[in-house]
Amino acid sequence: AQSVTQLDSQVPVFEEAPVELRCNYSSSVSVYLFWYVQYPNQGLQLLLKYLSGSTLVKGINGFEAEFNKSQTSFHLRKPSVHISDTAEYFCAVSGAKGSTLGRLYFGRGTQLTVWP
Amino acid sequence: NAGVTQTPKFRVLKTGQSMTLLCAQDMNHEYMYWYRQDPGMGLRLIHYSVGEGTTAKGEVPDGYNVSRLKKQNFLLGLESAAPSQTSVYFCASSSARDSSYEQYFGPGTRLTVT
Repeated sequence: AQSVTQLDSQVPVFEEAPVELRCNYSSSVSVYLFWYVQYPNQGLQLLLKYLSGSTLVKGINGFEAEFNKSQTSFHLRKPSVHISDTAEYFCAVSGAKGSTLGRLYFGRGTQLTVWP
Repeated sequence: NAGVTQTPKFRVLKTGQSMTLLCAQDMNHEYMYWYRQDPGMGLRLIHYSVGEGTTAKGEVPDGYNVSRLKKQNFLLGLESAAPSQTSVYFCASSSARDSSYEQYFGPGTRLTVT
């Protein structure tokens, strides 16, 4: 099975500052990796995903993430955040092959709060 | 195209009462999932279905039952609600034709059991 660790439960930053949300995963098979965002009182929305190929993945709203197989990490970054980026962010992993195909395993979430 | 919808949005139950949460998707997806979200715990999979008439247990299935009689609907039942089932419930769906199995989420149902 797969598992995900989000290393920070809360990340406060000021507007226009850069931010990195950290995610590490554990898996015995090759994986697909996802970042989802949840705005207050809403469902989850996909920010970006890594399936294969280029290790730098660009998503919506100016976010990007880098897959690092040797460090089993998939950290999310944005060079300049806005107040509207305040939300909870979830990293998730699924197995690319085998019986776990399609099942997502989520981290516990990182609350990003952007201050003016 | 409504995507994934959930009914109801909010519900308060007394301990021991039963209820059914309905999830509907209009994207012709084969796979459907029920999660619960608790503070600091992320999303945990309760049950899932890979097709009409089939269901399987996820990480936290105890106290819940599900049914998938139609491809577009996935029902989650609580036979005898307990305060530990107070949570926000999310339904999701994904397509078997999408190699990444990207999941699309509904808006959630906030359930309180007193």
